[in-house]
Amino acid sequence: AQSVTQLDSHVSVSEGTPVLLRCNYSSSYSPSLFWYVQHPNKGLQLLLKYTSAATLVKGINGFEAEFKKSETSFHLTKPSAHMSDAAEYFCVVSYKAAGNKLTFGGGTRVLVKP
Amino acid sequence: KAGVTQTPRYLIKTRGQQVTLSCSPISGHRSVSWYQQTPGQGLQFLFEYFSETQRNKGNFPGRFSGRQFSNSRSEMNVSTLELGDSALYLCASTLTSGSYEQYFGPGTRLTVT
Repeated sequence: AQSVTQLDSHVSVSEGTPVLLRCNYSSSYSPSLFWYVQHPNKGLQLLLKYTSAATLVKGINGFEAEFKKSETSFHLTKPSAHMSDAAEYFCVVSYKAAGNKLTFGGGTRVLVKP
Repeated sequence: KAGVTQTPRYLIKTRGQQVTLSCSPISGHRSVSWYQQTPGQGLQFLFEYFSETQRNKGNFPGRFSGRQFSNSRSEMNVSTLELGDSALYLCASTLTSGSYEQYFGPGTRLTVT
């Protein structure tokens, strides 16, 4: 069975400082991993995805994530937070045999202070 | 290209009623998946349809059902509504099953009173 744990339910950062959102996964098979963002009253937007190519994945809006198989982690980072980054972030896992079924982590709500 | 659209955006129903939600995928996308989002349970997979066939189903009671039409539009139906069915229902479309890059609609907010 596959599962995703987001280690922080809330993260607070100051504008201009780095952001780190932590995610650990459990999967019996080689996983595909994603980060999605959800702004208030909006749908989910794909930030980036890992599908067994490069372990360092770059996404939109300056975000990147590193796949570490030995640590079963897929942490999301951004060097400098912007006010518009305030949102909820979801780490997501899937594997090919499950078709399009995505398994979501519990989410991390990011607050950006001016 | 237009994104995924969901109708209605907001819905209020009474316990015991039934409801139908609609999802129109991105043009050319043949797979539609449905998810339920609640504060307590988070985002949970309901089911996936591809070429009018249910490909995968989550762990929900039989009151939750869906279908897909030949134009790839999908509907989900919830019968005998319970208070706990209050949630944001999201649909996502992708080109084909197993192609991973899913595009989400804005969701339908269902409130059961």
